[in-house]
Amino acid sequence: AQKITQTQPGMFVQEKEAVTLDCTYDTSDPSYGLFWYKQPSSGEMIFLIYQGSYDQQNATEGRYSLNFQKARKSANLVISASQLGDSAMYFCAMRESETSGSRLTFGEGTQLTVNP
Amino acid sequence: DSGVTQTPKHLITATGQRVTLRCSPRSGDLSVYWYQQSLDQGLQFLIQYYNGEERAKGNILERFSAQQFPDLHSELNLSSLELGDSALYFCASSPWDGGYNSPLHFGNGTRLTVT
Repeated sequence: AQKITQTQPGMFVQEKEAVTLDCTYDTSDPSYGLFWYKQPSSGEMIFLIYQGSYDQQNATEGRYSLNFQKARKSANLVISASQLGDSAMYFCAMRESETSGSRLTFGEGTQLTVNP
Repeated sequence: DSGVTQTPKHLITATGQRVTLRCSPRSGDLSVYWYQQSLDQGLQFLIQYYNGEERAKGNILERFSAQQFPDLHSELNLSSLELGDSALYFCASSPWDGGYNSPLHFGNGTRLTVT
């Protein structure tokens, strides 16, 4: 079974509007972390935001916030006030404490395009 | 800048050849992870080292090998290269072996093209 599922291969948003990128996950480990990374066309992987499985509040980092719904096993990324520079591929990923080395497992990604 | 350095940035080679990709982790990080990103497979975990020892293996082919040296830099060796090995190879580092509540910090990747 897929551990991380991103169902939106592509998303479009108008500049200055908010956009939500969906992510669902599957784990039986009680201790895990959820991460979002941004990959611009230049290729680098940029860490955006983290949410821990025991965190009571949703994580926020500037214009990024994570809508964490533990019972639904979802961790959606919300980008507010989109900018042209937000156009990139976005990956949801998970680390599980019981996995040897706690590797990051990635979803397939969502290509976000911000239109002027 | 993540602090993780990967060299070279680009590599073009022929089928059947062998290449070495190099990674220097962030200062203080003891764990190094290698990932392969290809169009059809997405981001795949290959292997992890912690303080010089192999700790976890993922979808790494037998033609591929890696090691981490005493100065903590790591090398990924790819041999008998095939067209399908063309991909972006990332190195990432973290301070510890395991732990779920901190991000991995990625280098800018090495883009390998096999012709």
